[in-house]
Amino acid sequence: ETGVTQSPTHLIKTRGQQVTLRCSSQSGHNTVSWYQQALGQGPQFIFQYYREEENGRGNFPPRFSGLQFPNYSSELNVNALELDDSALYLCASSHEPGNTEAFFGQGTRLTVV
Amino acid sequence: GQSLEQPSEVTAVEGAIVQINCTYQTSGFYGLSWYQQHDGGAPTFLSYNALDGLEETGRFSSFLSRSDSYGYLLLQELQMKDSASYFCAVRDNAGNMLTFGGGTRLMVKP
Repeated sequence: ETGVTQSPTHLIKTRGQQVTLRCSSQSGHNTVSWYQQALGQGPQFIFQYYREEENGRGNFPPRFSGLQFPNYSSELNVNALELDDSALYLCASSHEPGNTEAFFGQGTRLTVV
Repeated sequence: GQSLEQPSEVTAVEGAIVQINCTYQTSGFYGLSWYQQHDGGAPTFLSYNALDGLEETGRFSSFLSRSDSYGYLLLQELQMKDSASYFCAVRDNAGNMLTFGGGTRLMVKP
């Protein structure tokens, strides 16, 4: 059983640029959630995708957008990057949206300069 | 909205027992989860409580009191490898979003 994988592991971008982060969900999981984790803080929910549709969104501006593909992998896109977007971006997959256990990937460390 | 409070740091010695508390304020509640995260690693699921009481999984136990909006994670027979950050998290009414606390950094000393 393959776990949750994210790419790239590290990324440096300039303020104002756009970035795309990728996530492959664990085998058999149809639900993917994205979280932003600033240094020394807990993860904050960005949004969730279930069967290719957005299924809930946290308190993030529209420049944070996403996609889920038929194989349940997912992308997180961030436009007009700001310095405060520097964080660890975590992807978590689960069998269904309400499952009690979420399986996290190692994350993508994004640095905006 | 939701908010969770937990201590920022706890230090204990190898072999000891430590309790990490979590209090929450939520508009809806589907259960309290606990996750462990080592430095540079992914959060990993430890436990989940939907009903009041104690859930035991090996050296780790988790407790929930819904009337007090309170839970805790109990770690017994501490080992050096238990040094990590521990997060409590609640699920909202729709069941699709985890709200995490700020995390408790546990340092286990010899």
